[in-house]
Amino acid sequence: AQSVTQLGSHVSVSEGALVLLRCNYSSSVPPYLFWYVQYPNQGLQLLLKYTSAATLVKGINGFEAEFKKSETSFHLTKPSAHMSDAAEYFCAVSGNEKLTFGTGTRLTIIP
Amino acid sequence: DAMVIQNPRYQVTQFGKPVTLSCSQTLNHNVMYWYQQKSSQAPKLLFHYYDKDFNNEADTPDNFQSRRPNTSFCFLDIRSPGLGDAAMYLCATSTKGADQPQHFGDGTRLSIL
Repeated sequence: AQSVTQLGSHVSVSEGALVLLRCNYSSSVPPYLFWYVQYPNQGLQLLLKYTSAATLVKGINGFEAEFKKSETSFHLTKPSAHMSDAAEYFCAVSGNEKLTFGTGTRLTIIP
Repeated sequence: DAMVIQNPRYQVTQFGKPVTLSCSQTLNHNVMYWYQQKSSQAPKLLFHYYDKDFNNEADTPDNFQSRRPNTSFCFLDIRSPGLGDAAMYLCATSTKGADQPQHFGDGTRLSIL
């Protein structure tokens, strides 16, 4: 069965600092991986997806993620945090027409 | 803009009183999903449709039912809501394929009195 693990349920960074949200996957086949963001009282919005075309994936709002097979990781990064990045972030793996989500990471931005 | 629309955004019902949540889409996607999301948790899949084929998750309570009368609309019926059913309910759509992302509505927050 496929799964993802998000390390760190809460992450705080200062405005302008690097954002790093960690996600490790478990899959017996090449995975399709996604990062979603959820703002309060809203649905999930797709940030980016990995579908084997390129290991470095660029997404919306300045986020990017790098697929590392040797580390079974798909960490999300942004060079410079903005106050508007404060939200819940979910990593997910796709299989059998379903998404399996990680437990989420709440990102707080310190002014 | 093509989108997934959920109505209402906020729904209050009484304990045991049936309630229906609705979802519509203009994306013409053939797969539609219903999720339950409780506070500070990941969304939990309840069921999904591939066209008219209904797929129920094994641990979805019988209290939850769904209807999809056409491609654009999907409904979630909760026959006898209990206090534990208070949550955000999210609808999502996608085209077929594991590499296809799901597109989410803004959800309906259900409160039980």
